[in-house]
Amino acid sequence: DSGVTQTPKHLITATGQRVTLRCSPRSGDLSVYWYQQSLDQGLQFLIQYYNGEERAKGNILERFSAQQFPDLHSELNLSSLELGDSALYFCASSVTVADYGYTFGSGTRLTVV
Amino acid sequence: SQQGEEDPQALSIQEGENATMNCSYKTSINNLQWYRQNSGRGLVHLILIRSNEREKHSGRLRVTLDTSKKSSSLLITASRAADTASYFCATALASGGSYIPTFGRGTSLIVHP
Repeated sequence: DSGVTQTPKHLITATGQRVTLRCSPRSGDLSVYWYQQSLDQGLQFLIQYYNGEERAKGNILERFSAQQFPDLHSELNLSSLELGDSALYFCASSVTVADYGYTFGSGTRLTVV
Repeated sequence: SQQGEEDPQALSIQEGENATMNCSYKTSINNLQWYRQNSGRGLVHLILIRSNEREKHSGRLRVTLDTSKKSSSLLITASRAADTASYFCATALASGGSYIPTFGRGTSLIVHP
């Protein structure tokens, strides 16, 4: 157990639907990062939050949004889902915004049918 | 875009042999990190090497870094079937006051018993 908790572990949903993925960072970590991992695109950075504020944005689609709550857990919302959104979604956390010390969760496997 | 690129994409060896994976990156770095991912699971941090270090050891792992060539290698000695996994190098790219861990596509290692 890495200390980063992601729920649910698996999610199957239909095209056009909306889902919410949840991440609880390791205790004491203020920064949360979201990644999408697919076979053809590898591990792609989506978005980062630090202490409730958005700090960096990567290749995140407009249909996707995220937020970090006062208790530091984060949610990634995916809407108008397409077949191509099927992937593993990971979150990672770190204490600060430094260039080391990242801990990954075990991921949510999203399947869009 | 990928900051790091691992080579080879796939590696198949027998138990007891050594496995060498290479990583090239594009920009200057403060450090380079290697992670391991078992199939469908989260990434686990293996080792970090700083830009002023040339070599680092951790158990059966040996990492080298050549900043002049912007490359790193990960050597796993006396491999075991349990080492079967994907291995990723990561560098932290500066973005808006944060550092974002950015990954290559990974090397898939299969160790045959």
